[in-house]
Formats: sequence, structure tokens, C-alpha cells
Amino acid sequence: KQEVTQIPAALSVPEGENLVLNCSFTDSAIYNLQWFRQDPGKGLTSLLLIQSSQREQTSGRLNASLDKSSGRSTLYIAASQPGDSATYLCAVRNQAGTALIFGKGTTLSVSS
Amino acid sequence: DTAVSQTPKYLVTQMGNDKSIKCEQNLGHDTMYWYKQDSKKFLKIMFSYNNKELIINETVPNRFSPKSPDKAHLNLHINSLELGDSAVYFCASTYLGSDGVGYTFGSGTRLTVV
Repeated sequence: KQEVTQIPAALSVPEGENLVLNCSFTDSAIYNLQWFRQDPGKGLTSLLLIQSSQREQTSGRLNASLDKSSGRSTLYIAASQPGDSATYLCAVRNQAGTALIFGKGTTLSVSS
Repeated sequence: DTAVSQTPKYLVTQMGNDKSIKCEQNLGHDTMYWYKQDSKKFLKIMFSYNNKELIINETVPNRFSPKSPDKAHLNLHINSLELGDSAVYFCASTYLGSDGVGYTFGSGTRLTVV
């Protein structure tokens, strides 16, 4: 059974720092992996999707990498800003007909 | 706007009542989902429909009954509501057979049972 773990559970950094959020999964045979952002009391916003054949994806200051063999993904945020404060969720999909399985998230706080 | 839309956004009701949450997507996706986010913010799959056919049915009380009249709509009906049903319910959609298409989530329905 696929399990997704995110470390750390919470992270506080000063504005301008580069940071890395970690995600690990137990079954390396994944279909794809998706990173989301959730602001308090809000829905989920998709940040990046990495297909099983890809190693990384980039969008603006965000870069997500995928290493299926080790069961790991990282989300790199460059030059963090207070507006980046949110909970970041990692989720994996094992096969075409299965559902996304979520980690418990990393809550990021960026202070100005 | 292309999106996944859920109604209502907030729902406050008494124990024992029956309520429904509606979801619609205009993205042309063929698969829709209901997720529950508990008080600890953990998201867990409840149901999934592909082209009106139920394909995922996790261990959920029988009081929860999904219905998909067509591939663009997925509704959730809950009978005899209990305090423990209080949570945020999210609808989502995607293409079943494409690893290049991610999930799109609705903004959630916050259900409070009193």
C-alpha cells in the first residue's frame, strides 16, 4: 500500500531564503506525482506535475524533482517570499485507475 | 472560467439531517473524485467515478452515497449526519488514462454538523 511522507511538518524561514521540501513514497512504481499548495481555509492549487518518465519540472521560482528509484521528490523554492506561506502537499498516483494519495503536508511560514 | 465548482461552500446542519453537495467540472475530464479533509488537514479519497461508473469506493459509511448523472457532474449525498462527518469535502477531476494531466480540485465544502 502506497504511503507518502513529507518532512518537515513545519518550516519557518526569513524572506529571501532558498528552501527544500521533501516528499518520500514507499512504492516506486508511480504514474505521476503532483505538488499542491493550500492556503488556510482554501482549496488546493496545483503547482507542478511530474510524469513518471520525467526527472523534474520548473515553474517560476519552483522546481520539483523526482527520483523514482529512491522513492523521493523535492520541491525547491527559490528566494522565498511572505506570500509563499502556505501548506505544501505532495501526492502520488500509482496507476491510471487509482486515486491520488496525499502526504500530510509541510506548513511553510516565511517572515518579512 | 474552466474549473471544478462545488456548492455549497459552507454547510451547517443538525445531527440526523440529510444533505447533498454538488460538483461540476467544465474541463472535459472523464474522472471525478470526492476527498475528505479531516480536522488534522489530511486528505483521504472517498469515491471516484469514470464516465458515470463507480471505480473507487473506499471504506466509507453507507450513509454516504455518490451519484454521477454524467461525466461532468458528481454529487455527494449524506444521510443521517453525525458529528464526526464534520470536515471539508473536496471534489476533483482528471483524465483517467493520461499521466500528463494532473488533478484539479474544487474550492471545498466545509460541512459542520451540530
